[in-house]
Amino acid sequence: DGGITQSPKYLFRKEGQNVTLSCEQNLNHDAMYWYRQDPGQGLRLIYYSQIVNDFQKGDIAEGYSVSREKKESFPLTVTSAQKNPTAFYLCASSIFPGTGTEAFFGQGTRLTVV
Amino acid sequence: GENVGLHLPTLSVQEGDNSIINCAYSNSASDYFIWYKQESGKGPQFIIDIRSNMDKRQGQRVTVLLNKTVKHLSLQIAATQPGDSAVYFCAENKNNQGGKLIFGQGTELSVKP
Repeated sequence: DGGITQSPKYLFRKEGQNVTLSCEQNLNHDAMYWYRQDPGQGLRLIYYSQIVNDFQKGDIAEGYSVSREKKESFPLTVTSAQKNPTAFYLCASSIFPGTGTEAFFGQGTRLTVV
Repeated sequence: GENVGLHLPTLSVQEGDNSIINCAYSNSASDYFIWYKQESGKGPQFIIDIRSNMDKRQGQRVTVLLNKTVKHLSLQIAATQPGDSAVYFCAENKNNQGGKLIFGQGTELSVKP
């Protein structure tokens, strides 16, 4: 089946550690996005990528890093510089960046700092 | 039942009634709008979209209305069912911003049997 796969579903991290969240899509979409969602809040954009080997910061990029070495994959690293990393992280992709099309979402990764 | 945007993030309706969820968007340059449904612990699912050259679009049991004059978007759900219980988000897209979506706060819809 085509779709977006995020892994793991739940992730626990000790303070001071970096952790990488996986996002893979087999929809042949050009654009991919990472959003952060806090309880009772909307989604805020962390990073996005319109093409392989290129990405841009979103509204809350500090403390995060990404790479886009393959069209299918857009991993997100939550670094120790992120002061409040506990949140629900959502990855999305869309067909045509910049022309207004719906984004398809994965099922999310819930990150908890212990 | 009807909410009035960010001041009423929770909407409770009786099963079988119609629901109206409202959203005020931020940028008059936005030209594409989407409604998403998010169930607890899951990613958002696409419901319906509308482009700025339209003021109404209908789907199965859902209708989206767009009022560009006051930058207002609404989602109407007909004959609301218990399975409609979820958080609903509106999102706006600006063509000159790389296709990224700007999300509203969301409204939690609760359907009473």
